[in-house]
Amino acid sequence: GQNIDQPTEMTATEGAIVQINCTYQTSGFNGLFWYQQHAGEAPTFLSYNVLDGLEEKGRFSSFLSRSKGYSYLLLKELQMKDSASYLCAVRDSNYQLIWGAGTKLIIKP
Amino acid sequence: ETGVTQTPRHLVMGMTNKKSLKCEQHLGHNAMYWYKQSAKKPLELMFVYNFKEQTENNSVPSRFSPECPNSSHLFLHLHTLQPEDSALYLCASSQEVGTGYDEAFFGQGTRLTVV
Repeated sequence: GQNIDQPTEMTATEGAIVQINCTYQTSGFNGLFWYQQHAGEAPTFLSYNVLDGLEEKGRFSSFLSRSKGYSYLLLKELQMKDSASYLCAVRDSNYQLIWGAGTKLIIKP
Repeated sequence: ETGVTQTPRHLVMGMTNKKSLKCEQHLGHNAMYWYKQSAKKPLELMFVYNFKEQTENNSVPSRFSPECPNSSHLFLHLHTLQPEDSALYLCASSQEVGTGYDEAFFGQGTRLTVV
């Protein structure tokens, strides 16, 4: 079966750096997405990786290793507004998105 | 504002009621989706429409019935639901199904409670 694994919850300190990991086992691979979802709000797109390596976008970076079935989202200079759930999703060979359960990130002052 | 609007935001219904969820997108997209989001579980894809044609029905019980009258509107008709159907129902749209980089835009969801 298809599976996306990510930690359920993480805690970090304001101003610090946090890395949220995602491992996947899917039938085929057509890209990996990271979304941010604040409580009670819509998920919003953060990043897309289809080739190995690091994609940097401001304070957020996303890394992909297709051979290892592994990605991470790196958040730098954490702010209180970064408290949210972070969803990892992989597009499989049928172009369907397979979702992880999300990682709830708690930022403390 | 993501360009995808869902109504109502909250809905409480009895198990014998019939209600409908509405989704509208203003992004010119050709694909629309219904997802179910339960606490601490992955998003569950329920239905997919691509150019108004239903392309996916992921073993969803018949008490959920989708309708897509045009590329901008999507409905989810509900009848004789069960308490375990209580969840956040998210609508999303994307350019079209079948491309790798096809970012999905989500609505804010309808929080459904079945009593």
